[in-house]
Amino acid sequence: AQSVTQLDSQVPVFEEAPVELRCNYSSSVSVYLFWYVQYPNQGLQLLLKYLSGSTLVESINGFEAEFNKSQTSFHLRKPSVHISDTAEYFCAVSSFSSGSARQLTFGSGTQLTVLP
Amino acid sequence: EPEVTQTPSHQVTQMGQEVILRCVPISNHLYFYWYRQILGQKVEFLVSFYNNEISEKSEIFDDQFSVERPDGSNFTLKIRSTKLEDSAMYFCASSDRLAGTGELFFGEGSRLTVL
Repeated sequence: AQSVTQLDSQVPVFEEAPVELRCNYSSSVSVYLFWYVQYPNQGLQLLLKYLSGSTLVESINGFEAEFNKSQTSFHLRKPSVHISDTAEYFCAVSSFSSGSARQLTFGSGTQLTVLP
Repeated sequence: EPEVTQTPSHQVTQMGQEVILRCVPISNHLYFYWYRQILGQKVEFLVSFYNNEISEKSEIFDDQFSVERPDGSNFTLKIRSTKLEDSAMYFCASSDRLAGTGELFFGEGSRLTVL
């Protein structure tokens, strides 16, 4: 079984300030890690993912996340946020079980609100 | 860019009625999924589907739920007799081969409101 914990349900931050959204996971097997973003009244969009290789992964809009195996974390960071980053952010984990289809386990989400 | 499409975007129904939510996955994908998100709660896995049969399902996916791929393009979720607690946003997703990257592509969701 696997689980994801997002400790912060709401994160308000002023525009141009840095932000970190925390994510911890637990799993008995190797995992893939994802951050999805959900803008108001829209579906889930993949923001970035860690599959293997470099533990630091980046998105095209300035977000980055670092996989820390010892701390079982995959925190999302951005050095300077914009109003348009206001959205709900979901951390997710998937593991591969031989013979079964892949499924994602989501965290409870963090609402990032960027204030002017 | 290929995308997953879902219809309807919003459906309102009376308790006890049957509902069918439709999805058109990305054309070369082989694995299909339904997730749901009750308002204010986390996104929950319902079911995965491969090779015309259910691969995995959660405890939420009871006998009131069924999935089908009636033709080469559509993937449907049927709720036989809706309950108030079925009110949620339902997301369809698809992915490519099992030994792939694990990335799921989601549709924009179908909001179901049960009165």
